Amino acid sequence: EPEVTQTPSHQVTQMGQEVILRCVPISNHLYFYWYRQILGQKVEFLVSFYNNEISEKSEIFDDQFSVERPDGSNFTLKIRSTKLEDSAMYFCASRPGLASDTQYFGPGTRLTVL
Amino acid sequence: GENVEQHPSTLSVQEGDSAVIKCTYSDSASNYFPWYKQELGKGPQLIIDIRSNVGEKKDQRIAVTLNKTAKHFSLHITETQPEDSAVYFCAASRGDSNYQLIWGAGTKLIIKP
Repeated sequence: EPEVTQTPSHQVTQMGQEVILRCVPISNHLYFYWYRQILGQKVEFLVSFYNNEISEKSEIFDDQFSVERPDGSNFTLKIRSTKLEDSAMYFCASRPGLASDTQYFGPGTRLTVL
Repeated sequence: GENVEQHPSTLSVQEGDSAVIKCTYSDSASNYFPWYKQELGKGPQLIIDIRSNVGEKKDQRIAVTLNKTAKHFSLHITETQPEDSAVYFCAASRGDSNYQLIWGAGTKLIIKP
């Protein structure tokens, strides 16, 4: 069964460094999402992406964040200058299209900012 | 802003008994309500979902009920098994969005043998 994959599973970085989290959504899915989950807290929506552009973003998704679909298969989240409070699990999700509500989640990337 | 409240935060039940997890949502325009199961070290996995034009949906041992008037929805697991132990999250779509999900805080379900 197709699934969303994410790399790396764990990323450790120094404060102020740039990180890129990678996701490979399910093939033929049209909508893509990033969520984050700070330890012990709720899952929070960051951004949704459709037709090669951001369709929605939350207040969390400020100028330090960007997303890209560079090659038709990968979907990346870049954090330009990481802060301690960016430490969290980051989940990528994809959805087939308008006919389906279901979002399929990847296993997540644990980001630790030191 | 929109919010989803989930109760209880921890639920411990005897194997074979039923478990019920409840959520309330604030956005009256929400129209899609999924439930996700998250096992340790894994991403959330959809287990069942319901749309606002349906009051109840069942899939084997799992059922979801929705009361739109009260803005409540609940997950029911019958004949619980050890592999049901996990964290369960409810979510509601933000009514005016492209299926952006607003999540509950999660319920840790413990199945006692």
